[in-house]
Amino acid sequence: ETGVTQSPTHLIKTRGQQVTLRCSSQSGHNTVSWYQQALGQGPQFIFQYYREEENGRGNFPPRFSGLQFPNYSSELNVNALELDDSALYLCASSQGSTVYNEQFFGPGTRLTVL
Amino acid sequence: AQSVTQLDSQVPVFEEAPVELRCNYSSSVSVYLFWYVQYPNQGLQLLLKYLSGSTLVKGINGFEAEFNKSQTSFHLRKPSVHISDTAEYFCAVSVYSGSARQLTFGSGTQLTVLP
Repeated sequence: ETGVTQSPTHLIKTRGQQVTLRCSSQSGHNTVSWYQQALGQGPQFIFQYYREEENGRGNFPPRFSGLQFPNYSSELNVNALELDDSALYLCASSQGSTVYNEQFFGPGTRLTVL
Repeated sequence: AQSVTQLDSQVPVFEEAPVELRCNYSSSVSVYLFWYVQYPNQGLQLLLKYLSGSTLVKGINGFEAEFNKSQTSFHLRKPSVHISDTAEYFCAVSVYSGSARQLTFGSGTQLTVLP
């Protein structure tokens, strides 16, 4: 059974650019959540997709957007990058969106904005 | 909104000594609590969780935690640590965001096990 994978592992962008991060869910999982982890802090919830629909969003501006595909893989898109967007971006997949559905995390994508 | 507070940002401890990592949560009717571990350059791994039932929860790698409603705490303990336990530990609470169940994390505790 393949776990959650993310690509790329590292990325460097300049302010104002756009970036797309990718996540492949664990087999059998239909829910993907994205988190932003700034240096020295805990992860912060960005949004969640369940069966290709966004079903919850944290306190992030609209320039953070996402997609979930029919195979339940997912993308996180960030437009107009700012220096504060530099962080580790984690995705987590689960079999549903209840408290009983454990979220399995990928290794993350480290984004640096210069 | 529900939240968790991790009281110690860094905890150094000698190998084979006991350790306690502290976590307090904001009070609510129903609370679901988790501890995750993050090794360098890796994602998060679930150590244990409290959803209901017994207040003493046992997890992986010899860790356990006790849900204390009167103290609003969920402290993580291990009776004897190993060098390999060196990592960042996060306490988290499950909350609703829209119809999504999401995790709200504390700021983390860096556990460093010294030889």
